[in-house]
Amino acid sequence: GAVVSQHPSWVICKSGTSVKIECRSLDFQATTMFWYRQFPKQSLMLMATSNEGSKATYEQGVEKDKFLINHASLTLSTLTVTSAHPEDSSFYICSAGGPYKETQYFGPGTRLLVL
Amino acid sequence: DAKTTQPTSMDCAEGRAANLPCNHSTISGNEYVYWYRQIHSQGPQYIIHGLKNNETNEMASLIITEDRKSSTLILPHATLRDTAVYYCIVTGANSKLTFGKGITLSVRP
Repeated sequence: GAVVSQHPSWVICKSGTSVKIECRSLDFQATTMFWYRQFPKQSLMLMATSNEGSKATYEQGVEKDKFLINHASLTLSTLTVTSAHPEDSSFYICSAGGPYKETQYFGPGTRLLVL
Repeated sequence: DAKTTQPTSMDCAEGRAANLPCNHSTISGNEYVYWYRQIHSQGPQYIIHGLKNNETNEMASLIITEDRKSSTLILPHATLRDTAVYYCIVTGANSKLTFGKGITLSVRP
């Protein structure tokens, strides 16, 4: 159990376009989902925490108007990178935790390349 | 969240046990010790976690000292597929995870 999926697994887009990444918990209800970003040869950095039905909480330095997070159901959260620029190119990873779980489970990640 | 300290890297021979240490001297009473690993270009994989007692699952064992200030992750029979960056993280249950640099484990044939 505890499977988390992400879609797409990789995406290439032009500068200025918006990209939506989906994170789904497949076999449990995720009341909390987290979004991370990882640049090459660096560790994961938490971007935001989203709770089902409420607004996301963003970490310091993360632009909430640029990285839109929606957690509309107990199995789905989406991250939209608006007006993407080359510096947004990164590996985006989500994790999900549930009310009966003490830990989080991670998705496989989405690699974004902005040209 | 309590800070953790891990060696930068270690290696071990395939088939032997890999013992990965972690110091967390400022851990508070309600914080868990979590271990994740990340194989290159993949999302982190949950390994094991514990509060006070030692824990064992199909992947590994977690030994927590009585004062909870340090712990050791044990991979009983390391394989080449266990080569990865291993992260020791201390935090509350279902709370955000703060990833440090982790320890790079290299398993040699």
